Amino acid sequence: DTAVSQTPKYLVTQMGNDKSIKCEQNLGHDTMYWYKQDSKKFLKIMFSYNNKELIINETVPNRFSPKSPDKAHLNLHINSLELGDSAVYFCASSPRGGTGELFFGEGSRLTVL
Amino acid sequence: GNSVTQMEGPVTLSEEAFLTINCTYTATGYPSLFWYVQYPGEGLQLLLKATKADDKGSNKGFEATYRKETTSFHLEKGSVQVSDSAVYFCALLQSGAGSYQLTFGKGTKLSVIP
Repeated sequence: DTAVSQTPKYLVTQMGNDKSIKCEQNLGHDTMYWYKQDSKKFLKIMFSYNNKELIINETVPNRFSPKSPDKAHLNLHINSLELGDSAVYFCASSPRGGTGELFFGEGSRLTVL
Repeated sequence: GNSVTQMEGPVTLSEEAFLTINCTYTATGYPSLFWYVQYPGEGLQLLLKATKADDKGSNKGFEATYRKETTSFHLEKGSVQVSDSAVYFCALLQSGAGSYQLTFGKGTKLSVIP
């Protein structure tokens, strides 16, 4: 059983479209995250939720909207996609927010044409 | 603010060579320090960690020692294998209530050739 699973793994779409990436964790963790990894492998946090409550919201365009229906799920919706949104998006979870021990999904590679 | 600086890659080594990947940090107080590894096509995995000065984290033959005096957490392995080829990320977690944010370095790509 995959601990942190993301879907879809690959996403190719046109500029201006809206898309969603889903994330689920079966580890019973309280905290979930979205990270963006650019083409140079630089990893930047976007959002963090603890028990469905938004904890971290970094400087991210408001075209990006996370949604946590329950503590096992954290979805990412992106409106009006732009070329610069092309990246690999990683979902992660941790048992408690302050441990630094994150469990990552395999990533969702988004390509905007 | 907090920051992590890693040596620039890529690093290419022959099998059984000694590996060092340098990592230094800037933070207030006493952060926890981590090394994560990302194998090709996968997400990051925690490799090792240290939570206080002079702690040594170790796993899978890799080691790193938390040096407060030099604000460093260099990753070492005595004899690398082809299967160690991956991108390695140094990270810190600032201590304190409600600290949820890991700060990552830019990653160092390691290629090990037979």
